[in-house]
Amino acid sequence: GNSVTQMEGPVTLSEEAFLTINCTYTATGYPSLFWYVQYPGEGLQLLLKATKADDKGSNKGFEATYRKETTSFHLEKGSVQVSDSAVYFCALNPRDDKIIFGKGTRLHILP
Amino acid sequence: GAGVSQTPSNKVTEKGKYVELRCDPISGHTALYWYRQSLGQGPEFLIYFQGTGAADDSGLPNDRFFAVRPEGSVSTLKIQRTERGDSAVYLCASSLTGVVGTEAFFGQGTRLTVV
Repeated sequence: GNSVTQMEGPVTLSEEAFLTINCTYTATGYPSLFWYVQYPGEGLQLLLKATKADDKGSNKGFEATYRKETTSFHLEKGSVQVSDSAVYFCALNPRDDKIIFGKGTRLHILP
Repeated sequence: GAGVSQTPSNKVTEKGKYVELRCDPISGHTALYWYRQSLGQGPEFLIYFQGTGAADDSGLPNDRFFAVRPEGSVSTLKIQRTERGDSAVYLCASSLTGVVGTEAFFGQGTRLTVV
């Protein structure tokens, strides 16, 4: 079946550090892939997405590339800020079934 | 509407009582999801509607939980004989179907507290 596995947190980094949050998936066909973010006290919101192999989604300095050969969609940011502290969720939409979420990775950025 | 609307935003109920949580999805979205999120956890899938029918209700924890979407738009999640363990934020999301790359749009959630 379809599934998403993302690295467990929490992840703690200093401001301006490089960030990678790993996400791998299992799916039949060609799903769309997403990263959602949940800031403290807020709802889930879409951060970025990619709809086909080799697509790169980007937003707010974050990037993720759809890698079909490694079934991965790792989230990266070159220089994190305190305001990036949140919980990040990787998700896939297999198009003909429900959207599947990973368990989330909590990110703490220290000033 | 402009976004997914959930009501009430907060609900406190006594153990054993019945509650209804409402979700008003984005107009035209055929897919509707209910999730439950406990503190510090990711969204736990409950049920997924395509139109009026439940396409997948495998996430409902037991028969105290039930959801309907009679006209393919607004949905109601119903919990009977509430227990303290039902306390969580209940999230609703909606999306288009059949459209490549469509994402789910979430409401702000209903915080349910069973005392």
